[in-house]
Amino acid sequence: NAGVTQTPKFQVLKTGQSMTLQCAQDMNHEYMSWYRQDPGMGLRLIHYSVGAGITDQGEVPNGYNVSRSTTEDFPLRLLSAAPSQTSVYFCASGGINRDSVFFGEGSRLTVL
Amino acid sequence: DQQVKQNSPSLSVQEGRISILNCDYTNSMFDYFLWYKKYPAEGPTFLISISSIKDKNEDGRFTVFLNKSAKHLSLHIVPSQPGDSAVYFCAASEVVGNQFYFGTGTSLTVIP
Repeated sequence: NAGVTQTPKFQVLKTGQSMTLQCAQDMNHEYMSWYRQDPGMGLRLIHYSVGAGITDQGEVPNGYNVSRSTTEDFPLRLLSAAPSQTSVYFCASGGINRDSVFFGEGSRLTVL
Repeated sequence: DQQVKQNSPSLSVQEGRISILNCDYTNSMFDYFLWYKKYPAEGPTFLISISSIKDKNEDGRFTVFLNKSAKHLSLHIVPSQPGDSAVYFCAASEVVGNQFYFGTGTSLTVIP
């Protein structure tokens, strides 16, 4: 039972580089979302999706792009990384029941 | 502006005693509240929730209390155990959708 799988777990980038954080879930959940966790800030919502082909912005969307071409996958793209994007990123997926939201193990990104 | 606040960054409690973690929110559109537990290097895991139509929900050693007029909720853990040592996040969700707004977390240490 994989649940929510995030890759990579660790990544170091230079300023200006691009990369994609992958997120996949095998629970047939409609809702998927990306959060970032920073010291003293808790988890903040970046983007979310309520189904394939539908995405929307969260609290801190600037500098990030997302797409949802399939129910299973919800990649997060950084087009031009900045040091302010150094953070731990969590992907989450959930069904209709708001108790049934599951988080991945996180991806630690460092931008130099 | 932070819509969900946890004003105590840390809490230490003796094993067997009660742990009380507090959370305040500002958005009156929140109708569902959750507590998540997080261990280092892992994603948050769901602990307990409460709907705005209730003022108390209990699950074993964990009880969540909601005071809507004060826009305040609390998590009680009785009795506290060393395995409860973790960071606890309060989260809130609006009427539609299951994207969450998180507090900054409280690090609980249960001393054996």
